[in-house]
Amino acid sequence: RKEVEQDPGPFNVPEGATVAFNCTYSNSASQSFFWYRQDCRKEPKLLMSVYSSGNEDGRFTAQLNRASQYISLLIRDSKLSDSATYLCVVKIRGTASKLTFGTGTRLQVTL
Amino acid sequence: NAGVTQTPKFRILKIGQSMTLQCTQDMNHNYMYWYRQDPGMGLKLIYYSVGAGITDKGEVPNGYNVSRSTTEDFPLRLELAAPSQTSVYFCASSGGSWGSGTDTQYFGPGTRLTVL
Repeated sequence: RKEVEQDPGPFNVPEGATVAFNCTYSNSASQSFFWYRQDCRKEPKLLMSVYSSGNEDGRFTAQLNRASQYISLLIRDSKLSDSATYLCVVKIRGTASKLTFGTGTRLQVTL
Repeated sequence: NAGVTQTPKFRILKIGQSMTLQCTQDMNHNYMYWYRQDPGMGLKLIYYSVGAGITDKGEVPNGYNVSRSTTEDFPLRLELAAPSQTSVYFCASSGGSWGSGTDTQYFGPGTRLTVL
């Protein structure tokens, strides 16, 4: 079983739609959780950290369920510029800030 | 403040050749990392360093070597290139400390390497 598993993509949605991505992690020692965004042929960049109480950043909402070892990302009012691959990322407790990346879910927002 | 820079951007190698991928960061970060990303796959950690003079293996270290003589630089060496090393290589840095929960990794733009 992969340490971090994500929804298979691609997700094709029209502009203005709401889309949700899911991610599960297998290591119960996972301590920190993130969503990174990666544009085509570019480097990953931090989109947002995921906190236990859930957190929101504009149109983006992240949720964490430690009991189910599940993370989600909700994007409201999708824009063309949201088209990218979204990477679910986990840090294991006690490691030297090493991150474990999911394979990513590709989002394509269309007119 | 350039962040993390990598050179070269692209390179084609023949089987058996050697090369060094350069990585420099100007954020005074202690932690640096090398990843490879194959098509449709997640990033795999090759090597990492928690400070000058200290390096350790990641998930896929075979065929690679690293050194960390300064805080700023973390070069990755391929000694005998093989087709299996065709990939995109990303260098990253973070200011996080051991056990820190909120450190962010900043990535360089990547090096696209093809081994023929």
